[in-house]
Amino acid sequence: DAKTTQPPSMDCAEGRAANLPCNHSTISGNEYVYWYRQIHSQGPQYIIHGLKNNETNEMASLIITEDRKSSTLILPHATLRDTAVYYCIVRVAYSGGGADGLTFGKGTHLIIQP
Amino acid sequence: EADIYQTPRYLVIGTGKKITLECSQTMGHDKMYWYQQDPGMELHLIHYSYGVNSTEKGDLSSESTVSRIRTEHFPLTLESARPSHTSQYLCASSLRAGGAYEQYFGPGTRLTVT
Repeated sequence: DAKTTQPPSMDCAEGRAANLPCNHSTISGNEYVYWYRQIHSQGPQYIIHGLKNNETNEMASLIITEDRKSSTLILPHATLRDTAVYYCIVRVAYSGGGADGLTFGKGTHLIIQP
Repeated sequence: EADIYQTPRYLVIGTGKKITLECSQTMGHDKMYWYQQDPGMELHLIHYSYGVNSTEKGDLSSESTVSRIRTEHFPLTLESARPSHTSQYLCASSLRAGGAYEQYFGPGTRLTVT
């Protein structure tokens, strides 16, 4: 699986858009970009994933550059409850075999300021 | 909202005791996982299962064992707990399907061995 690089921490004002970057310059053509977050001491929560196109759901938007070497997770109107560690994970599609657990790095600690 | 449950949420136990951490999911997912996370550190996959009667070791070596006798149930057992087993244990499940997939995590069990 491709390695990802994220800033260790970021601040964002409440009500503003939080933009979390992720570099994955060695990503392969069949690897998806996933985002999860972990609020203090809880189990990680799936946010969104994408392959090539930008994606949006009720939680966030995912912008993937045309060369797929980086992506940005956007929380459009951050609230205090969005304070968490955000993980960018690159993973091949499920192939029917092999260990397919997720490899979590250190992530970005996003702190939403009131 | 994902239906995956872990009990107990917190456990403090003495060295040498046998413990079983319970994990169950009501989504009918084939695949289940156990991750271990020390405070402030990354999650690591320790066990996974493709389905009933299938169990495999994950990326991080663990003295724990798992079983999968029923689809919905994936307990983790430590035969003789030691202080080095103190950690948070997170259970997850995912649907076996082609292409991308997401994992749903339980709330975790925080284990302290004294």
